[in-house]
This record gives sequence, C-alpha cells and structure tokens, in this order.
Amino acid sequence: DIVMTQSPDSLAVSLGERATINCKSSQSVLSSSNNKNYLAWYQQRPGQPPNLLIYWASTRESGVPDRFSGSGSGTDFTLTISSLQAEDVAVYYCQQYYSTPFTFGPGTKVDIK
Amino acid sequence: QVQLQESGPGLVKPSETLSLTCTVSGGSISSFYWSWIRQSPGKGLEWIGYIHYSGSTNYYPSLKSRVTISLDTSKNQFSLKLNSVTAADTAVYYCARAGQNWNYGYHMDVWGKGITVTVSS
Repeated sequence: DIVMTQSPDSLAVSLGERATINCKSSQSVLSSSNNKNYLAWYQQRPGQPPNLLIYWASTRESGVPDRFSGSGSGTDFTLTISSLQAEDVAVYYCQQYYSTPFTFGPGTKVDIK
Repeated sequence: QVQLQESGPGLVKPSETLSLTCTVSGGSISSFYWSWIRQSPGKGLEWIGYIHYSGSTNYYPSLKSRVTISLDTSKNQFSLKLNSVTAADTAVYYCARAGQNWNYGYHMDVWGKGITVTVSS
C-alpha cells in the first residue's frame, strides 16, 4: 500500500494569511506513461462529506476558488490557501489514486488564529 | 448535476451484515467507477473499494474477505455489503463517484452526504 503522510497535523492562520499543507507519499505517484501525478486534495468541513478541491496534484476542480492551489510531483506535494477565509476552516486530506488500495493522508486541521 | 444518496439501516448488530445502497441521480451509472469510503468517529478517511459499471471490483485488502460491492444499472444504484461486523466497523459511510479510467483518473468528484452506521447490540 502507498502510505500518505501530512504535515502539520493542524495549523492556525490569521484571516487573509497564507496556509500551507504538505503531503508525502511512500512511493511516487507520478505516472511515466502520461506524466501525471495521481494525487488529489479534499476539504472536509465539520459535518460535511469531503469535497474535491484539486486533482492531478495541481488542477483545480470546477467552482473551487483560485486561492486554493496545489503543487509538487513524485512523492512531495503541497496545498496552499493563499488568503485564508473563514469558510476555509476544515480538515484537508490528500489522497493517492495511483494504485489500489487508494489511500488518504491523516488530515490537517485548519483553524483561524 | 449528479447527486448520490446513501440509504440503509443506521444500526447493525455485531456479527451481522451491514447493507447500504447508493442511489445515483442526475446522471447515468455507466462509464464510471463508484466507490465506498468510511470514516470512523473522529478519524480519517478509509477507502473500502470500488465497482466499475462493467461489474469489475477492487477492495481494500484488509476488508476483502468481508466486503461485496455490487451494481444495479436498472435502478442506477450500487451497494455495499460488509459481513461479520464488529464495533470497529462503526463509521460514517460515504459513496462517491471515482472517475472513468487511468487517463481520466480516479479522483472522487461527487460524494453522498454520508450515512452513520453504528454496530451495537
């Protein structure tokens, strides 16, 4: 299984400031056949199902605000919220879909400072 | 717009079978992979498995001996059965759409609201 780790476990950021979450996979999720990273990011607000934010490591899902961006390749990835808004308080998960079983990171909780 | 809705009993006795159904509305079940994911209280997300509209399945290895995911294209539904449940299977269970193929990817872009299942006598 590909093990996903995230850091930090939680962070508190002032409104309007940048939040950065890191995700690491135990093996590369970059496909040599199509040069795509099989990595997604999800946001889960309290009491809600997860919501897809980013796929292919850096492609924003339709309707997702452009303050969310994803970067990285191979085994190291980052989700950045450029200017934190109150509605961004949530837990964020990375997930690899390179190979089964698909696996999620443990999550990073983002709060307002 | 595709929507998913989980249904089934919210309480299951230990050693019995958990049975859930996901109804797909606003779109066809064809051409996609469909997943089940669960989240234990206060915990992270665990992928249980998927089924392709062709009927092929793939399950999380540690659950494989107890899980069956099936499809009913006539009703636009797919289902989860998990047998011999214990308290450790208590969780919120989500169904989700999980992509079309290797080139389109298997990221989960549509999720149901989730259903809480408690295993208790």
